[in-house]
Amino acid sequence: DVKVTQSSRYLVKRTGEKVFLECVQDMDHENMFWYRQDPGLGLRLIYFSYDVKMKEKGDIPEGYSVSREKKERFSLILESASTNQTSMYLCAIGTFGTEAFFGQGTRLTVV
Amino acid sequence: GQNIDQPTEMTATEGAIVQINCTYQTSGFNGLFWYQQHAGEAPTFLSYNVLDGLEEKGRFSSFLSRSKGYSYLLLKELQMKDSASYLCAHFSGAGSYQLTFGKGTKLSVIP
Repeated sequence: DVKVTQSSRYLVKRTGEKVFLECVQDMDHENMFWYRQDPGLGLRLIYFSYDVKMKEKGDIPEGYSVSREKKERFSLILESASTNQTSMYLCAIGTFGTEAFFGQGTRLTVV
Repeated sequence: GQNIDQPTEMTATEGAIVQINCTYQTSGFNGLFWYQQHAGEAPTFLSYNVLDGLEEKGRFSSFLSRSKGYSYLLLKELQMKDSASYLCAHFSGAGSYQLTFGKGTKLSVIP
């Protein structure tokens, strides 16, 4: 069974806090992604990584950064959380020829 | 970036057949995925089309026409549990693994 594990299911943070969302996979897939999902806007790509220490901006990288020090772990960082970053965050992994697998999602509320 | 279009909402009757359409830009195409997502949960994989034609998987089938940039998901013998959002996702593998999602189609199955 594929396992993509996100560190928290629900998270509440204050405006201005630095927030870390962690994603760990056990499939040895080279590609890892962070998406956010909002009603009416669908899944939007924030950042992705195709190898250790490599990262690429997605469609909405502003206000976010990422870290991939090990192949199995991809972290999303909100440098200074704001209320407009309240959302569902989804981590996904993928490799050529197969479907992408998702973590269970983290519902982040910034107050 | 890739532009993927699918209807926002659809309603169908239990036991009926429903077709959910998806159109995308044809450049850099490597595959087309369909995912199902129940409210508050992560997307789960349904089907993957790389070549033209119909892929059948039980009550679910997916069709692809690469020249037209068109796909559809066909759901037969609808059940109440099929009420969910259905996401079309374009996979581009040129150089790096790029996965872009449509905004999703919310399907409501009524008795």
